[in-house]
Amino acid sequence: QKEVEQNSGPLSVPEGAIASLNCTYSDRVSQSFFWYRQYSGKSPELIMSIYSNGDKEDGRFTAQLNKASQYVSLLIRDSQPSDSATYLCAVNRVGAGANNLFFGTGTRLTVIP
Amino acid sequence: DTGVSQNPRHKITKRGQNVTFRCDPISEHNRLYWYRQTLGQGPEFLTYFQNEAQLEKSRLLSDRFSAERPKGSFSTLEIQRTEQGDSAMYLCASSLTYTEAFFGQGTRLTVV
Repeated sequence: QKEVEQNSGPLSVPEGAIASLNCTYSDRVSQSFFWYRQYSGKSPELIMSIYSNGDKEDGRFTAQLNKASQYVSLLIRDSQPSDSATYLCAVNRVGAGANNLFFGTGTRLTVIP
Repeated sequence: DTGVSQNPRHKITKRGQNVTFRCDPISEHNRLYWYRQTLGQGPEFLTYFQNEAQLEKSRLLSDRFSAERPKGSFSTLEIQRTEQGDSAMYLCASSLTYTEAFFGQGTRLTVV
């Protein structure tokens, strides 16, 4: 089982719609959760971090964390063509001999004008 | 200090040659990570440092790969006897412990 799993997509949404991206993780001791955006040929850019259960909002982005279900999601409201990118979920796993930051394979999002 | 800096940005090398990449983290960050990324995949963990100590290495990392972080500042990643399968983007990131990690621009390696 992979540490972090994401649906690879592609996910297509029309401009102005809500894009919903999902991520599950395997290790219950994980403590920190992050979403990164990566444009083609560029390095990942941090867009959201979340550390406790519930929702965290930042502009058009909302991260949701459910530790009991080992589930993290990212909602993008009023999607714009500039949001078209690959979104990477990352989990900071903490434990004996395993303090590390793992990434999923990413979900490719296309926002259609 | 504007962020994580990686050099070179691009490297083309012949198979069998050794290459070395450098990463300068954000100055106050105690953690430094190295990842490898190929097309269509997420960043694959290679190794990380807490200050100058290398705390974890991926089991996928062959003994041709070595990384150092002398004095807990910049880090180098060396690949010996490069193979075509080593062609990838090599990413460095830094963070404070358990907080957000920020990436450099990456070094794109092409082995011909």
